[in-house]
Amino acid sequence: DAGVIQSPRHEVTEMGQEVTLRCKPISGHNSLFWYRQTMMRGLELLIYFNNNVPIDDSGMPEDRFSAKMPNASFSTLKIQPSEPRDSAVYFCASRPSTGELFFGEGSRLTVL
Amino acid sequence: AQKITQTQPGMFVQEKEAVTLDCTYDTSDPSYGLFWYKQPSSGEMIFLIYQGSYDQQNATEGRYSLNFQKARKSANLVISASQLGDSAMYFCARNSGGSNYKLTFGKGTLLTVNP
Repeated sequence: DAGVIQSPRHEVTEMGQEVTLRCKPISGHNSLFWYRQTMMRGLELLIYFNNNVPIDDSGMPEDRFSAKMPNASFSTLKIQPSEPRDSAVYFCASRPSTGELFFGEGSRLTVL
Repeated sequence: AQKITQTQPGMFVQEKEAVTLDCTYDTSDPSYGLFWYKQPSSGEMIFLIYQGSYDQQNATEGRYSLNFQKARKSANLVISASQLGDSAMYFCARNSGGSNYKLTFGKGTLLTVNP
């Protein structure tokens, strides 16, 4: 079975540009999570969805960040405008109704 | 915020020996779950083991076991017979109880297995 699929795997962009990260969760999983990983702050939960509905976005850093889940098989995390401090690895993870999170391979973002 | 604390930034172990990675947590929830994940240098997050707060026995999964001490709010990971491939970052995580499911991670411990 396919795991959680994230794209792009690597993104290098310049400050001020819009960045869109994409995620396809595992089929049948009804919860989806976006995490950000940095050396300084570790793994931070940005937002999570249950049945395509955002449940908790308290981890979203500021208005420059937005996330959508238009259907059960697709989610995006958008940063506009991007800043150097947004450089991090962004993980998408999904979960069935119970049990552990299944992570994608991550999207490594570098903002110059 | 309810925290997960991993006090060991780095650990070293000789191949074939056992190692314990520490994890303590805060919680006010009566029901919660504890997880351990492994992150090798390639970056992916690999689920290792899970312990529910009401589970009577400590979880085991192959060479991994979880030393769960509920009263002390600790959930230490024990890796037996370490292998070179065990060298990685290890993260402890806890989910909040109820329907508002959130997995909160500790800062991680970098384990190095020496030959």
